[in-house]
This record gives sequence, C-alpha cells and structure tokens, in this order.
Amino acid sequence: DTAVSQTPKYLVTQMGNDKSIKCEQNLGHDTMYWYKQDSKKFLKIMFSYNNKELIINETVPNRFSPKSPDKAHLNLHINSLELGDSAVYFCASSQVSGNTIYFGEGSWLTVV
Amino acid sequence: GQSLEQPSEVTAVEGAIVQINCTYQTSGFYGLSWYQQHDGGAPTFLSYNGLDGLEETGRFSSFLSRSDSYGYLLLQELQMKDSASYFCAAETGANNLFFGTGTRLTVIP
Repeated sequence: DTAVSQTPKYLVTQMGNDKSIKCEQNLGHDTMYWYKQDSKKFLKIMFSYNNKELIINETVPNRFSPKSPDKAHLNLHINSLELGDSAVYFCASSQVSGNTIYFGEGSWLTVV
Repeated sequence: GQSLEQPSEVTAVEGAIVQINCTYQTSGFYGLSWYQQHDGGAPTFLSYNGLDGLEETGRFSSFLSRSDSYGYLLLQELQMKDSASYFCAAETGANNLFFGTGTRLTVIP
C-alpha cells in the first residue's frame, strides 16, 4: 500500500492551461503539504494544511490554490500555467507534532 | 532570510566514510533532519536531531551543534546504492521544514 500517493505522475501541458494534481495519504496523519522542487533540486514548501485548515502559505502566486476536502486529501490546482511552473511537485504528510515528513513519489509537470 | 548551506557535490569511494556538512541560519529552530533522494525518486527521511550530539542509525549518523548552527550526516561503509542527493532540513516551526540546497553524493568503485 502506498502511503502518500499523488496523480498524475507526469503531466505535459501548454501555457495558459489549468491543471490539478491530486494527493491522498493513508497514514492517518493530520498534516499535509505541497513542496516544489525546481530544476536545481531546491525543495521549497508551498503550503501546509493541518486537519483541512491552511497553516502555511509561502509566497506562492495565487494561481496556485490548494484544496483539502478532508484530512487525508490535499489537491493542488494551478491556473494559467506558465513556463516557470515546470517542476516536480511533491505532496507529503506528517503527524501534527512529528518531525518526519513522508513524501509522495512526485508529479513531474512540464509546461510548454 | 533563512538559509541552509551544504556542499553541492561530494565523491567518495565504496567502503569509505563520508561526512556531509550543513550550516544553518533560520529565524526559528527546533531541530535538524536529513533526507535522502535518489534520482527520480521522493525524499525519504534518514534522521533527526532535536538535541545536540550524535544520533546513530545503522551506517548513518547525524550530529547537531546548536551553538555552532551546524550539523552533519556521516555515512559509513559506503555502498554504491548510497549515491543520491542528501538534504538537511531545519524544523523552523510547527510542521515547517526548510530544506537545504542538497548535496549530491557519488560513490565510486
């Protein structure tokens, strides 16, 4: 069983399109995240949700909108995609007080 | 601003010992974690130091010195499969991990 699963794994799309990445965790964790890893492998937090409530919202364009229907799911919707959005997006989860983050396998987004 | 600095690349011989250093400057600090990431894969947790000193987990050990804002990951008896990127990450607040720049380790025969 996959602990943190995200779909799609690969996504190629044109500039200006809107796309979503879905994420689900079956670890029973209360906290979920979205991280972005760019071409230089720099891993940066985008959002953090605790039990469906937004906790961290780093400086991210408002074209990115996370949605958490329940504490096991955190989806990422991106509007008006730009070339610079090309990256690997990792969903992750952890216990509320935990210092260990469990990452999904990543979604490789390429904007052309 | 916040920063965690690591060497960008390290090369070591199979069977040897390698140390990857991490110096940090953060607005809040609760502890230092290390993650391993193979090419095309997800970051996976290796260790966590909440207190100063050495934590040992098998072939991997991690050290933290809060007074020096410094930590390191020590990998012993290197194996080819240890070739990967290694990230230190500072816990700067509740559920907030700020990652370092990453060190690409290449293990050669």
